Amino acid sequence: EIVLTQSPATLSFSPGERATLSCRASQSISSFLAWYQQKPGQAPRLLIYDASNRATGIPARFSGSGSGTDFTLTISSLEPEDFAVYYCQQRGSWPPSFGPGTKVDIK
Amino acid sequence: EVQLVESGGGLVQPGGSLRLSCAASGFTFGSYAMTWVRQAPGKGLEWVSTISGGGGSTYYADSVKGRFAISRDNSKNTLYLQMNSLRAEDTAVYYCAKVQGATVFDYWGQGTLVTVSS
Repeated sequence: EIVLTQSPATLSFSPGERATLSCRASQSISSFLAWYQQKPGQAPRLLIYDASNRATGIPARFSGSGSGTDFTLTISSLEPEDFAVYYCQQRGSWPPSFGPGTKVDIK
Repeated sequence: EVQLVESGGGLVQPGGSLRLSCAASGFTFGSYAMTWVRQAPGKGLEWVSTISGGGGSTYYADSVKGRFAISRDNSKNTLYLQMNSLRAEDTAVYYCAKVQGATVFDYWGQGTLVTVSS
């Protein structure tokens, strides 16, 4: 079973700053990685799939990159509504699994 | 607009059973696999189970295999999760989600809370 690692657990930024989040897989998953955003009391929302494809309706400030075992989610300029928890999820190997999440909070 | 609405959560004693439902609208339900993902209080996301569009293939996490059963009624646009032999560690918000392509969860319901406690 593939284990995803997201570190650090919390990142602090000011609005307008660029945020870079990391996700590492315990073995290669090609480009089969997705990113989700979750705000308190809400369901997760799909942001990025297959490493770099934005989901429907996702703003262009969100971008994803990486392949193999190392992946990055970049938010080019943080908006107030972007402060949330971000999870990565792999589908490169069964069963699908999620990372533990990175909380992006306001500095 | 895709909508997924879960129901059926609640308080149940250890060893008890519960059936969750997820009513879907806004897409051709039978053409897509569906999944359940859960989130224990204050914790991360855990994939639970997936069912193919026609219902002929089902998949389970090891943590629920043999205790949970996923099913669907495409005539009613509804997904189900039958949960038996419930344990305290099954306490979580259970989300249903539509599966895009292969195991990407593109739309999620609002979740239903299951609490297993005596």
